[in-house]
Amino acid sequence: DVKVTQSSRYLVKRTGEKVFLECVQDMDHENMFWYRQDPGLGLRLIYFSYDVKMKEKGDIPEGYSVSREKKERFSLILESASTNQTSMYLCASSLYDEQFFGPGTRLTVL
Amino acid sequence: DQQVKQNSPSLSVQEGRISILNCDYTNSMFDYFLWYKKYPAEGPTFLISISSIKDKNEDGRFTVFLNKSAKHLSLHIVPSQPGDSAVYFCAAVKNNAGNMLTFGGGTRLMVKP
Repeated sequence: DVKVTQSSRYLVKRTGEKVFLECVQDMDHENMFWYRQDPGLGLRLIYFSYDVKMKEKGDIPEGYSVSREKKERFSLILESASTNQTSMYLCASSLYDEQFFGPGTRLTVL
Repeated sequence: DQQVKQNSPSLSVQEGRISILNCDYTNSMFDYFLWYKKYPAEGPTFLISISSIKDKNEDGRFTVFLNKSAKHLSLHIVPSQPGDSAVYFCAAVKNNAGNMLTFGGGTRLMVKP
């Protein structure tokens, strides 16, 4: 079974802090994704990566950056957290169209 | 503007009855569609998919119907069970967009015993 893990289930940060969200997958998938989920808006794509050191902007990249130094790991970085970044963050990986998701990180920015 | 829409934020159904979840899309470039199910505090899990060359795909209690002319798809669950209570997301893939999914806003299904 594909396993996608995220470093934290719950995180509380202060405005202006730098935040790192880590995601690891164990199935050698080339594609990895970061989404945020907000009520009524579904899942919105922040960034994705097709290969190591490659990244592409999704629909809402502003305020975020990513890093993919190893195939199995995809990190989401909030350079200076703001209250409107309070959300559920979901990481996913895929080989083809079907994406496999991690359990999510509930981030609260105070 | 949302290219994939689920206009019903919630749906309540009696156990044993049929649940019908609807999804509309606006972009004719979408050619593959997926349904995901999400329980609280868990990531979404894949449920069923359909290619645009088909109009129906069935897997046990779950059937997805696609009406390309209306740009509409629906997920039917028969019979509904209390364990089906979750948020359901439809997602679409464009034929030239690699593996990117565009998600709808989700529908919360509640199946009452």
